[in-house]
Amino acid sequence: QKEVEQDPGPLSVPEGAIVSLNCTYSNSAFQYFMWYRQYSRKGPELLMYTYSSGNKEDGRFTAQVDKSSKYISLFIRDSQPSDSATYLCAMSRNAGNNRKLIWGLGTSLAVNP
Amino acid sequence: DAGVIQSPRHEVTEMGQEVTLRCKPISGHDYLFWYRQTMMRGLELLIYFNNNVPIDDSGMPEDRFSAKMPNASFSTLKIQPSEPRDSAVYFCASSTRDPLNEQFFGPGTRLTVL
Repeated sequence: QKEVEQDPGPLSVPEGAIVSLNCTYSNSAFQYFMWYRQYSRKGPELLMYTYSSGNKEDGRFTAQVDKSSKYISLFIRDSQPSDSATYLCAMSRNAGNNRKLIWGLGTSLAVNP
Repeated sequence: DAGVIQSPRHEVTEMGQEVTLRCKPISGHDYLFWYRQTMMRGLELLIYFNNNVPIDDSGMPEDRFSAKMPNASFSTLKIQPSEPRDSAVYFCASSTRDPLNEQFFGPGTRLTVL
């Protein structure tokens, strides 16, 4: 079993829809939970992060962490065609010099105008 | 800042040839990462450096792969000899010492081994 599981999709929604992207994980030592966005033919870029548990909101994006269920989510409200990309979750233990991020496979999202 | 710079952007080579990928991290960043990305396996960490010293190379698939970081502004990933199964997009990323460990990625090198 992989440490982080993410449904690769693809997910296709109409413009304006609410999108829910999810990852599950198995290691309770994870402290940082991140969402990276990767446009086609580009490198991933950090979109949002949450430290420990709880919610974080940034414009149309909301990140949630449920440590009891080992489940994280990214919600996109009023989705736009420019949101079409692959979304990767990533997690880390915040353990000294251990700089490894554990990555999900990524979910491919298409927002159709 | 120009961000992480990688070269070449595309590389097509024949099986058995040597391939060298290059990376210039963001100035002032302490960590440098090499990743490989495929549809089937996603983003895989190959190796990472701290202040030019390799810290973890457990992701390097086999002895055909080697990486060096001779100074703070340059790193190479070499594959010798290359095989068709090495075809993938190779990313270089860098980060600071901040605990968040936000990694800044380059545009990637798309490698095709025929």
